[in-house]
Amino acid sequence: DTEVTQTPKHLVMGMTNKKSLKCEQHMGHRAMYWYKQKAKKPPELMFVYSYEKLSINESVPSRFSPECPNSSLLNLHLHALQPEDSALYLCASSQPGSGETQYFGPGTRLLVL
Amino acid sequence: EDKVVQSPLSLVVHEGDTVTLNCSYEVTNFRSLLWYKQEKKAPTFLFMLTSSGIEKKSGRLSSILDKKELFSILNITATQTGDSAIYLCAVARSGGGADGLTFGKGTHLIIQP
Repeated sequence: DTEVTQTPKHLVMGMTNKKSLKCEQHMGHRAMYWYKQKAKKPPELMFVYSYEKLSINESVPSRFSPECPNSSLLNLHLHALQPEDSALYLCASSQPGSGETQYFGPGTRLLVL
Repeated sequence: EDKVVQSPLSLVVHEGDTVTLNCSYEVTNFRSLLWYKQEKKAPTFLFMLTSSGIEKKSGRLSSILDKKELFSILNITATQTGDSAIYLCAVARSGGGADGLTFGKGTHLIIQP
């Protein structure tokens, strides 16, 4: 089973809202990732968690706040977003040191009004 | 800065044709190169390549890596309309732990009936 699940599938929010994106995997992977993908562009790395600790933050604005409550779950808390933050947000997981085969979830399509 | 360059950026062929997609890379501490297929949503894993000259095959798809010349190709034979998608090439660095992937811009492949 190589399934990564993400909720919600779609999200529309205003610039003053606070919302959260959720990601879950049950493959026993100990690395989880958030990527942002704008239309017609490749995914861009935002955050990496390794063994539930934040190991990489690619200079992402503080209005995006990741959280890894346990080895299966990854959240992305959103607050005071801008319309240019509208994108597909992809979660992925892998086993650290396994050669980095990352398996992606279906994504959350976010629209900020 | 790591670079992944894919060519062509778009390609239109007829069903039954064979296509070759290219990916060249410059990356510090290369660990592996991965190919993904992306339709409407999440990238779907195709291949991971770590060693030069060893072809990986899955049905009509195959891929090979040349670590000396720093490139990889993805071949698709007897193409079908279901092969229409964006094919993404990504590289992973070795660093002892989890690291994000750096993606190329993708090749948008369209198979016409």
